[in-house]
Amino acid sequence: EAQVTQNPRYLITVTGKKLTVTCSQNMNHEYMSWYRQDPGLGLRQIYYSMNVEVTDKGDVPEGYKVSRKEKRNFPLILESPSPNQTSLYFCASSDEDRDDEQFFGPGTRLTVL
Amino acid sequence: KQEVTQIPAALSVPEGENLVLNCSFTDSAIYNLQWFRQDPGKGLTSLLLIQSSQREQTSGRLNASLDKSSGRSTLYIAASQPGDSATYLCAVKGTYKYIFGTGTRLKVLA
Repeated sequence: EAQVTQNPRYLITVTGKKLTVTCSQNMNHEYMSWYRQDPGLGLRQIYYSMNVEVTDKGDVPEGYKVSRKEKRNFPLILESPSPNQTSLYFCASSDEDRDDEQFFGPGTRLTVL
Repeated sequence: KQEVTQIPAALSVPEGENLVLNCSFTDSAIYNLQWFRQDPGKGLTSLLLIQSSQREQTSGRLNASLDKSSGRSTLYIAASQPGDSATYLCAVKGTYKYIFGTGTRLKVLA
């Protein structure tokens, strides 16, 4: 089944404790991205990657890091999480060979205390 | 900078009604526009994708139109059902980035 998976689905952590949210897709898509969703603000793009080893900032990159060492994986790293990073996070993938249609993962609900 | 607006923010209609959701964007230089459905606390489900060269797409009771020159898209839902209750989001793709609207929360009353 074609899908985007994220882990963990739920995470409660404390300020300053480094964490990684994993994202994997099995559709051989070149483009992957991370979003955060906050009430009243909608989905905002954090980082995106156009291919392996090619990443760039979205609209809200501060406090986040990403890497793209393999085509299928695009982890999101919070080196020192803060309470304002409490949010619902989504990973998505797409490919120009499929009309750039985005497919989303199920989401990761992160709470930073 | 691209901005995407969805009006109304919330909508409540009786079952069976035909309805239109609106999405407007400020920069007409887009590659595509995609409509999504999101149920509370859940992920996004793709409904329709319209390429910049297309005018509309249809899937079942859903029809989406795109007028790039005026920066507008509409999602038409025919014969609405309680199961259509969800938040509907539109997103436009620029050169590399995707920009989302804040959504329309739809409630269809039985």
